Amino acid sequence: DGGITQSPKYLFRKEGQNVTLSCEQNLNHDAMYWYRQDPGQGLRLIYYSQIVNDFQKGDIAEGYSVSREKKESFPLTVTSAQKNPTAFYLCASSGQGWYQPQHFGDGTRLSIL
Amino acid sequence: EDQVTQSPEALRLQEGESSSLNCSYTVSGLRGLFWYRQDPGKGPEFLFTLYSAGEEKEKERLKATLTKKESFLHITAPKPEDSATYLCAPRDDKIIFGKGTRLHILP
Repeated sequence: DGGITQSPKYLFRKEGQNVTLSCEQNLNHDAMYWYRQDPGQGLRLIYYSQIVNDFQKGDIAEGYSVSREKKESFPLTVTSAQKNPTAFYLCASSGQGWYQPQHFGDGTRLSIL
Repeated sequence: EDQVTQSPEALRLQEGESSSLNCSYTVSGLRGLFWYRQDPGKGPEFLFTLYSAGEEKEKERLKATLTKKESFLHITAPKPEDSATYLCAPRDDKIIFGKGTRLHILP
């Protein structure tokens, strides 16, 4: 089955620690995205990539980093500089073209120990 | 500034009681509007794309419509399994997600 796989489902971070969230897709999509979802707020864009080896900051990129070495993979690192990292993180992908909808994984919930 | 407002924030209906969810937007050059369904602890699931005013799309008990400033998601004779949060997302050069409407259908 084609889809987007995020792992782990739950993740705990200690103070001062960097953690990496995995996102893999087998939909052959060019574009991939990372969003953050907080209670009572809409999805906010962290980073996006439209092609391998290229990515752009979204609206709330501070304290996060990404890489796009392979078409299928778009990992997100939450660094110690992100002071409020507790949230539900969603990865999405889409085909090229503005009319293409984004398809989402089932998220990673990050909490602080 | 581009904005999206969904109303109501939450809606409780009896099974079989039809209603509509609203998505109002101010987007300078609309290129389409997406509707998603999100279950608790899951990612959003794509439902519909609407491209231009006057367009309608249907899927089972759901029908989405689009005007120049609003979109509606009509739900006809809902069942408990329709309970979820429904998100709308208009797009110009980027997608903007609304905060969603939490729909709860009582059996």
